[in-house]
Amino acid sequence: LAKTTQPISMDSYEGQEVNITCSHNNIATNDYITWYQQFPSQGPRFIIQGYKTKVTNEVASLFIPADRKSSTLSLPRVSLSDTAVYYCLVGDGQAGTALIFGKGTTLSVSS
Amino acid sequence: GAVVSQHPSWVICKSGTSVKIECRSLDFQATTMFWYRQFPKQSLMLMATSNEGSKATYEQGVEKDKFLINHASLTLSTLTVTSAHPEDSSFYICSARDPGQGAYEQYFGPGTRLTVT
Repeated sequence: LAKTTQPISMDSYEGQEVNITCSHNNIATNDYITWYQQFPSQGPRFIIQGYKTKVTNEVASLFIPADRKSSTLSLPRVSLSDTAVYYCLVGDGQAGTALIFGKGTTLSVSS
Repeated sequence: GAVVSQHPSWVICKSGTSVKIECRSLDFQATTMFWYRQFPKQSLMLMATSNEGSKATYEQGVEKDKFLINHASLTLSTLTVTSAHPEDSSFYICSARDPGQGAYEQYFGPGTRLTVT
């Protein structure tokens, strides 16, 4: 699985837009990009997944440039409850393939 | 989305005893489940891949005789920590992928906090 690099931590205030960028220079043609959110003492929760260009759901947007060597998770108007660790993962999505987690980005939202 | 449950949510045991953790896919069948371990302030570390009806595949450095995995049905995988020691205290998380969902969407259980005294 492709290795990913994310900032270790980010700080924000309520109501701001937060963009977390992930680098994955060795991404393969069959790889998808997926982001997960984890709160303390809970299992990770799926946020969004994409292959190219832009994907948007009710929670976030995912921007993927044409070369796919990076991606940006965008969280609009964050609140205190968005304080969590965010993981960027890439992989081919095969049913028998496990997700390998990097260090993730700890987002702290203040009032 | 699909739901994965774990039981118990937390457990305290004495050193030398064994503890079993259950992972269930509640509304889908999972031929493959995954077990992770997470220490405080660290990321999830893959321990093993659990395959229904066959032996689990363990990651390098994970003792298969210590962490026994059984995947006897398409909805249940169990992890037994044998002869537990304080260093086995950790947060154990299982996951599974619903074949009927997105190519890469993997569902995680809520985790089990193990404390060995």
